[in-house]
Amino acid sequence: DAKTTQPNSMESNEEEPVHLPCNHSTISGTDYIHWYRQLPSQGPEYVIHGLTSNVNNRMASLAIAEDRKSSTLILHRATLRDAAVYYCILRGAGGGADGLTFGKGTHLIIQP
Amino acid sequence: KAGVTQTPRYLIKTRGQQVTLSCSPISGHRSVSWYQQTPGQGLQFLFEYFSETQRNKGNFPGRFSGRQFSNSRSEMNVSTLELGDSALYLCASSSGQRLIDGYTFGSGTRLTVV
Repeated sequence: DAKTTQPNSMESNEEEPVHLPCNHSTISGTDYIHWYRQLPSQGPEYVIHGLTSNVNNRMASLAIAEDRKSSTLILHRATLRDAAVYYCILRGAGGGADGLTFGKGTHLIIQP
Repeated sequence: KAGVTQTPRYLIKTRGQQVTLSCSPISGHRSVSWYQQTPGQGLQFLFEYFSETQRNKGNFPGRFSGRQFSNSRSEMNVSTLELGDSALYLCASSSGQRLIDGYTFGSGTRLTVV
């Protein structure tokens, strides 16, 4: 799977929007962009995924650059419960059922 | 619906012993994956089972093995435990049909080797 680069940590205030960036300059045309997050003392949790178009769900929005070399996970109104490590992962369509390759992720800190 | 269930939640074993961890996936999910999480290495993929067959394997020694039963429940075994095997072991289930399908993780089994 292609590599992703994320900032080690980010800090935001409660009830403000949060934009979590991810660079994936070697992404292939068939790679999907997945985001997971891991809250303290829990297993990772699926957040959202996309291929080319921006995506929205009840948890977050995913904005994908036109050249697909970067993406941004957007939490519209952060709460204390959103404090977690966020992982950006690429999954190739041609690779079969391989596992998820987690990087270091971004540790999101939410200040009250 | 019930989530992914991992048992036991905590385990303490002695070096040289073996251990078996269990994972019950979400009903209807046929794929079960296992991951090891340590502070130094982060989350690393161990292996994935689909319909009782190992479909893919990460870069771990042969001491780590697994199996999946006809009801999709899976077990992971580690033989001849080493201190470095102390970690959080996570199980994830998915339908296993498409790469866009998300994974649902359990809360993990915390293994301590002394």
